[in-house]
Amino acid sequence: KQEVTQIPAALSVPEGENLVLNCSFTDSAIYNLQWFRQDPGKGLTSLLLIQSSQREQTSGRLNASLDKSSGRSTLYIAASQPGDSATYLCAVKGGSYIPTFGRGTSLIVHP
Amino acid sequence: EAGVTQSPTHLIKTRGQQATLRCSPISGHTSVYWYQQALGLGLQFLLWYDEGEERNRGNFPPRFSGRQFPNYSSELNVNALELEDSALYLCASSGPGTSGGTGNEQFFGPGTRLTVL
Repeated sequence: KQEVTQIPAALSVPEGENLVLNCSFTDSAIYNLQWFRQDPGKGLTSLLLIQSSQREQTSGRLNASLDKSSGRSTLYIAASQPGDSATYLCAVKGGSYIPTFGRGTSLIVHP
Repeated sequence: EAGVTQSPTHLIKTRGQQATLRCSPISGHTSVYWYQQALGLGLQFLLWYDEGEERNRGNFPPRFSGRQFPNYSSELNVNALELEDSALYLCASSGPGTSGGTGNEQFFGPGTRLTVL
C-alpha cells in the first residue's frame, strides 16, 4: 500500500525566502506525481504534474523535482510571498490509478 | 474553459437524513473522483467513476454511493447521515481512459461543505 509523507507539516517564513517542501512515497512504481495548493475551506489547485519519466517541472517561481528510485519529490518556491500562504499537498498515482495524498505542508509567509 | 463545478456549496442536514452532492467535470473529461476531507484529516478517497461505471471505491460504508451520468457528471449520495460525515466533499476530474488516464492531471472543484447536525 502506497504511503505518502510530507515534511515539514508546518512552516512559517518571512517574505522573500526560498523554500523547499518535501514529499516522500514508499512505492516507486508510479505513473505521476502532482503538487497542489489548498486555501482554507477551498478546493485544490493544481500546481505541477510530473510524469514518471520526467525529472522536473517548472512553472513561474515553482519548480518540482522527482526522484522515483529514492521515492522523493521536492517543491521549490522561489522568493516567497504572503500570497503563497496555503497548504501544499502532493499526490502520487500508482498501479491502483487512485492518487494517494500526503497530509500536506501548511505554509505561512509573513510580510 | 470552465473548470470542475460542484453544487451545492453548503449543505446542512440532520442525522439520519440523506444528502445528494453533484459534480460536473471539465468538458472532455470522463473520469470523476470523489474525496472526503474531514477537519484536521487528509483527503480520503471515496469513489472513482469512468465512462459511466464505478471503477473503484475507498474504505467507506455502503451508505456512500453514487453514479455517473451519460454526460459524465456525477452524483454522490450519502444515506443515513451521521455526525462524523460532516466534511468538505471534493470532486476531481481527469481526461479520458479507463485506466484513469494514467498520466493525466487531476483538476478539483471548489467542494461542498456538508454539515450534519
